[in-house]
Amino acid sequence: DTEVTQTPKHLVMGMTNKKSLKCEQHMGHRAMYWYKQKAKKPPELMFVYSYEKLSINESVPSRFSPECPNSSLLNLHLHALQPEDSALYLCASSRYRADTQYFGPGTRLTVL
Amino acid sequence: GQQVMQIPQYQHVQEGEDFTTYCNSSTTLSNIQWYKQRPGGHPVFLIQLVKSGEVKKQKRLTFQFGEAKKNSSLHITATQTTDVGTYFCAGRLTAGGTSYGKLTFGQGTILTVHP
Repeated sequence: DTEVTQTPKHLVMGMTNKKSLKCEQHMGHRAMYWYKQKAKKPPELMFVYSYEKLSINESVPSRFSPECPNSSLLNLHLHALQPEDSALYLCASSRYRADTQYFGPGTRLTVL
Repeated sequence: GQQVMQIPQYQHVQEGEDFTTYCNSSTTLSNIQWYKQRPGGHPVFLIQLVKSGEVKKQKRLTFQFGEAKKNSSLHITATQTTDVGTYFCAGRLTAGGTSYGKLTFGQGTILTVHP
């Protein structure tokens, strides 16, 4: 089973809203990732968690706040986003940081 | 920083024709992964290549990793309409450090197959 689940599938939010994206995997993977993907572009790494600790932050603006409550869950808290933040947000997981990454279906975010 | 260049950006083929996409890295890679993303979908893992000169096949798909571990290719024989999508390569550096495990994606090749 290589399933990563993400909720919600779609999200529309205003620039003053606070919302959260959720990612879950039950494969026992110890590394989890957040990516941002714009149309016709490759996924762009945002954050990496390894053993529930933040390992990589790719200079992401503070309006994006990741959280890893346990080894199966990864959240991305959103606050005061800009319209240019509209994108597909993908979660991925792997057994460990250097292993194959498996992507979830993504959350399509629109910021009005 | 590390770059992975992927060509072509777009490829239009008639059903039954072959298709190839190429990736080239500015630095030696530990391994390279290939993903397929259907329109409206998410990247789906296809394969990982680790060894220098490695060739792997999956039905009509053939994946190669160069001898210097700096380039890779994906070849599809006799394309079908189900092959439509964007194919991404993603390379991983050999070194450790803060970027350990990080994948660097190529820009992707968008494949259109005309029936």
